Amino acid sequence: SAVISQKPSRDICQRGTSLTIQCQVDSQVTMMFWYRQQPGQSLTLIATANQGSEATYESGFVIDKFPISRPNLTFSTLTVSNMSPEDSSIYLCSVWGTGAMGAQYFGPGTRLLVL
Amino acid sequence: QKEVEQDPGPLSVPEGAIVSLNCTYSNSAFQYFMWYRQYSRKGPELLMYTYSSGNKEDGRFTAQVDKSSKYISLFIRDSQPSDSATYLCAMKGTGNTGNQFYFGTGTSLTVIP
Repeated sequence: SAVISQKPSRDICQRGTSLTIQCQVDSQVTMMFWYRQQPGQSLTLIATANQGSEATYESGFVIDKFPISRPNLTFSTLTVSNMSPEDSSIYLCSVWGTGAMGAQYFGPGTRLLVL
Repeated sequence: QKEVEQDPGPLSVPEGAIVSLNCTYSNSAFQYFMWYRQYSRKGPELLMYTYSSGNKEDGRFTAQVDKSSKYISLFIRDSQPSDSATYLCAMKGTGNTGNQFYFGTGTSLTVIP
């Protein structure tokens, strides 16, 4: 399994501002994933961060709102831009494990509250 | 129709009880099935995963997959207060279904000492 850390663990932000969330993995991985988890809802995939290329965004998520960087095989950032209270959520970074089945492993999450 | 349906609970049981958590799904292409445990203020932690149908046991935990019914279960024997958490099911297909994971909404479990 991979060990994943995220910074910050939580933050309270004002609407209209931006927050960058960092994700660090203890091993090199090809793909990293960013999810959003809102109360009472299933995990929602925001985008897949590929090293050396642009991130791939899921329907309903756009690069201007959630720019992603992937400078190397162990690190990625997700920025939540021009925040509104609707962006209040837990943001999770994840990677695939090694092996044939490739189960996903998650970081501890970043709790974001937008006022 | 959602890809994955999971009863959100909450579920409250006495210590030592057998707990049954369930998910149903609609996509017959799903081949990999996972259960995650998420403690409050933590990220989901992989608990069990299975491929295709059948059972898998790990200590007090048993995962079952019934592909004919599109139904998966997680059983917890001799439940402990430390099992109190939210349990999420997840599944993934292969080939044309892509690599996307589909998650249930989670079932909140409380084990009362």
